[in-house]
This record gives sequence, structure tokens and C-alpha cells, in this order.
Amino acid sequence: EVQLVESGGGLVQPGRSVRLSCAASGFTLNDYAMHWVRQAPGKGLEWVSSISWNSGNIDYADSVKGRFTISRDNANNALYLQMNSLRAEDTAFYHCARDRRWLQSGACDNWGQGTLVTVSS
Amino acid sequence: QSALTQPASVSGSPGQSITVSCTGTSRDDGGYTYVSWYQQHPGKAPKLIIYDVSKRPSGVSDRFSGSKSGNTASLTISGLQTEDEAVYHCSSYTSRSSVWVFGGGTKLTVL
Repeated sequence: EVQLVESGGGLVQPGRSVRLSCAASGFTLNDYAMHWVRQAPGKGLEWVSSISWNSGNIDYADSVKGRFTISRDNANNALYLQMNSLRAEDTAFYHCARDRRWLQSGACDNWGQGTLVTVSS
Repeated sequence: QSALTQPASVSGSPGQSITVSCTGTSRDDGGYTYVSWYQQHPGKAPKLIIYDVSKRPSGVSDRFSGSKSGNTASLTISGLQTEDEAVYHCSSYTSRSSVWVFGGGTKLTVL
């Protein structure tokens, strides 16, 4: 069974950093592109960042470019999101999602339940 | 990275058909655009129901269908069932600009 489990969320002060992790199981991570998508409570989905199967193609939303860094460790079946200079508007549930393809296409057939990041003083 | 435009809500009765529109899915950068639709029940993660405009993942009911005309993609749900009540998100990923955008979501109420 395919599983994606996020961790690392919590309450963090504005301007500080946090690193999210996504543990993948039930499939071979290096066969797929991966994404981070966030959802503020009661709001819609917002794409954050994407990474191709071999980390050769990495993309970011304008709202996080220069502050967030996506990475992956295929050998250990893990996806990461390093989040720096956090702002109140970054408060959201952060989901990792598996693309159907090895390059990004936005067709994600498996999602984690998400980890909540709350940015507040 | 402009968001796509969806109606905030739609409704229908059991057995009826409804269509959700999604405007803004065409890009002028010459790249290929992948259109997907997601279903999300309260407190749950999104579920992929349509990808590549009109393809259904394995296990998704054939009551769900997708299409695209010009700048607007559409999701049609036929034979509405109470369990279809959820929020539906459209999205498009453009290969040239490598940007993935979502619509604001449409809440479907099955009366």
C-alpha cells in the first residue's frame, strides 16, 4: 500500500525556520516526481514546490521562491521541504503528493494527510 | 501565477448531472498543459479523479468525466450520489513555465 506521511509541523515564530519531512512507503520513490501543496484552514489548495525523480527539475511558487528549498533522498524514501524566513501567510497544512510521472505533471495520485505549520508570535 | 477560476458552489439532486467549469487553463508559452481534477471531502486529503483533461485513474467511477474547450476545462458528474458531496479543485500544470496552479475550489451540494 502506498503511504505518504508528513512530519515536522508545529508552531513557529515569524522569521524562523522549519524543515518538513515526508516518509514514503509502498513504492519506489525514484520512479516519481514529488510535490508539496499547502492548504490554509478553510481555503483552497496552493502549489508550493515540485521536484523531478532525480532532482534535475525543481520548481517553486513565486510566493515561496528564495525562502523554501525542496529536496529528496531516494535511497531513504524521503522528501523534504526546508522553510526559512517564515511569514504568517505560510500558515497551512502542508501535503506531500506523488505525481503519476517521473517528471512533474500535476497529476498526483497519492497524497499525505498533511502536517500543520502555524506561523505566529 | 494566476489562479484558475471556478464557481464557488454548485448543487444537484441525486441522479442528476452537474458540470463544474474551470477557466484559465490555456497558456501562451507554447508548453503542454496538463489539466487535473481533485475531489476533497472534509478533513481528508485530495483525491485525483481526472488527469490529462479527460483520463480517469484506476478505481474512479466512470460517472466522472472531463473535457476542455479553449481556455475552459470542465468536470461533469453524472448520476449524482450523496457521497459525491465534496469540494472539487481543478488544476493545470504547464510544462514550459513549470508552474502548477489551482482553482479556488467548487463545493458540490447534493440536495
